[in-house]
Amino acid sequence: DVKVTQSSRYLVKRTGEKVFLECVQDMDHENMFWYRQDPGLGLRLIYFSYDVKMKEKGDIPEGYSVSREKKERFSLILESASTNQTSMYLCASSLTQGTNEKLFFGSGTQLSVL
Amino acid sequence: KQEVTQIPAALSVPEGENLVLNCSFTDSAIYNLQWFRQDPGKGLTSLLLIQSSQREQTSGRLNASLDKSSGRSTLYIAASQPGDSATYLCAVRVKPSNTGKLIFGQGTTLQVKP
Repeated sequence: DVKVTQSSRYLVKRTGEKVFLECVQDMDHENMFWYRQDPGLGLRLIYFSYDVKMKEKGDIPEGYSVSREKKERFSLILESASTNQTSMYLCASSLTQGTNEKLFFGSGTQLSVL
Repeated sequence: KQEVTQIPAALSVPEGENLVLNCSFTDSAIYNLQWFRQDPGKGLTSLLLIQSSQREQTSGRLNASLDKSSGRSTLYIAASQPGDSATYLCAVRVKPSNTGKLIFGQGTTLQVKP
């Protein structure tokens, strides 16, 4: 089974801090994604990457950056955390397989910015 | 612009009932459709994926159907159990991962009462 591991289950940070959220997948997937999930807004794509060192903006990239130095690891960076970035962050990965492509998610990181 | 809608937003049924969750999308030109389950405070677990050329997929007590022409998918759960209580999300892919993203519905929160 595919395993997508997010480094922290819960995280509490202060406004202005630099925050790193880490995600690792063990199935050699080329595609990786970062979503945030908020009540009433559903899942929104922040950034995705389809190859090492490649990144593409999603729907809400402002205030975030990403890093993909190795194929298995995709990091989300909050350069200067703000209270409106309090959210559930979900990492996902997939293998490009045409119409059979399936997305696998990690367990999520609940981030609170105080 | 593709939009995905799930109705109802919440559903409560007694244990043992068969039930249907609905998902509709506005653009029939989809690549595939995926159903997920999410337990409170957790990540998403993939349940079923239906490719654009398929009409349905089955896994245990779950059956998902796809009617592209009408822009609809249904998730049928047979003989519901309290352990089925969760939020169910559908998502459509309109392009391959390296060029596009999944578009999620808001989800249906299911409660199965013992």
